[in-house]
Amino acid sequence: EVQLVESGGGLVQPGGSLRLSCSASGFTYSSYWMHWVRQAPGKGLVWVSRIKSDGSSRTYADSVRGRFTISRDNAKNTLFLQMNSLRAEDTAVYYCARETSGSFYFDYWGLGTLVTVSS
Amino acid sequence: LVLTQSPSASASRGASVKLTCTLSSGHNTYVIAWHQQQPEKAPRFLMKVNSDGSHIKGDGIPDRFSGSSSGAERYLTISSLQSEDEADYYCQSWDTGIQMFGGGTKVTVL
Repeated sequence: EVQLVESGGGLVQPGGSLRLSCSASGFTYSSYWMHWVRQAPGKGLVWVSRIKSDGSSRTYADSVRGRFTISRDNAKNTLFLQMNSLRAEDTAVYYCARETSGSFYFDYWGLGTLVTVSS
Repeated sequence: LVLTQSPSASASRGASVKLTCTLSSGHNTYVIAWHQQQPEKAPRFLMKVNSDGSHIKGDGIPDRFSGSSSGAERYLTISSLQSEDEADYYCQSWDTGIQMFGGGTKVTVL
């Protein structure tokens, strides 16, 4: 059974940093592109970033480029999102998602972790 | 690429509802995916819908969920509506490495 479990969310002050993790199991993690998607309270889904299966390619949404860094550890089946210079508008539930093999849509989602940026 | 969805839809329990995701001009051959998000839960993949209307469902998705296409529109039809189908439904697509979502449709079961 495919499982994605995020952790690392919490309350952080504006300008602060936070590192999210997503632990993957039930599939060959190193074979899949992985993504982060976020959802502000009461709002829709917004894509944040993606990373290639071997970590050699990364893409970011304009809203986070230069502040967030996506990475992965294939030996530990874990995806990361390092978030720096956090702003109030980064407040959201952050989901990791698996990109299906051979196409570009998400076939599995994590449960999410809440990040709150507030003083 | 822009994905447009109606904000809301409703139907009685046991009836059917058809949701629409409209692709912006020049993108009518694009594939989309539908995701369901029940209240206070994570999204769940429902199905992928191709431009010819063929679709591939996710694991354990009931037969009463189906997909179809016409031109730039991609559809999700839910038949025999049940109370647990009350949720937000998002379409998703991708273009030059960038993923995007429609604004979502909130389905209310009357």
